[in-house]
Amino acid sequence: NAGVTQTPKFQVLKTGQSMTLQCAQDMNHNSMYWYRQDPGMGLRLIYYSASEGTTDKGEVPNGYNVSRLNKREFSLRLESAAPSQTSVYFCASRGTGEETQYFGPGTRLLVL
Amino acid sequence: DQQVKQNSPSLSVQEGRISILNCDYTNSMFDYFLWYKKYPAEGPTFLISISSIKDKNEDGRFTVFLNKSAKHLSLHIVPSQPGDSAVYFCAASGAGTYKYIFGTGTRLKVLA
Repeated sequence: NAGVTQTPKFQVLKTGQSMTLQCAQDMNHNSMYWYRQDPGMGLRLIYYSASEGTTDKGEVPNGYNVSRLNKREFSLRLESAAPSQTSVYFCASRGTGEETQYFGPGTRLLVL
Repeated sequence: DQQVKQNSPSLSVQEGRISILNCDYTNSMFDYFLWYKKYPAEGPTFLISISSIKDKNEDGRFTVFLNKSAKHLSLHIVPSQPGDSAVYFCAASGAGTYKYIFGTGTRLKVLA
């Protein structure tokens, strides 16, 4: 049971480049989340998907888009990366009726 | 506006002693609270939770206390062990919502 997987583990981008962060879960969870973690800021919610086919903005959605491709997969896209998007990105999932989120190992992104 | 606050960025405790990590919140609509533990280069992992209908929840060495009137919760670790050294995040959610608000984290160091 892999739980929540994220790819890539590490990425370096130049300002203005685009990329997609991938997330998949094998726990049949309905809800999925994208967070970013920055020093002194904790975990901040970027976007979430309460169920397949729905997405909603979190606290810091600007500069990002998401796609809930199916129940398993939830991707995060940066259309034009900026240095302010340098961060560690975590994907999480949660089952219906559960309060606990399960996190992936993270993607470390550096935008130069 | 930080709805969930962890005012101590770091804490050092001797092995075998009690560790007390604190968390304050401002939104009275929060009704479920969780603590996560995070090691470097890993995703956060769930540690313990508490519903607003309770004031205490125990799981082995870990106890969470909730004081609703003060909008304050704390995590007690007794006895502390070197393996407990990590960053601890508290998180809160409101009834019927899918969103979690995280605090900024407290780095615990347990000294052998």
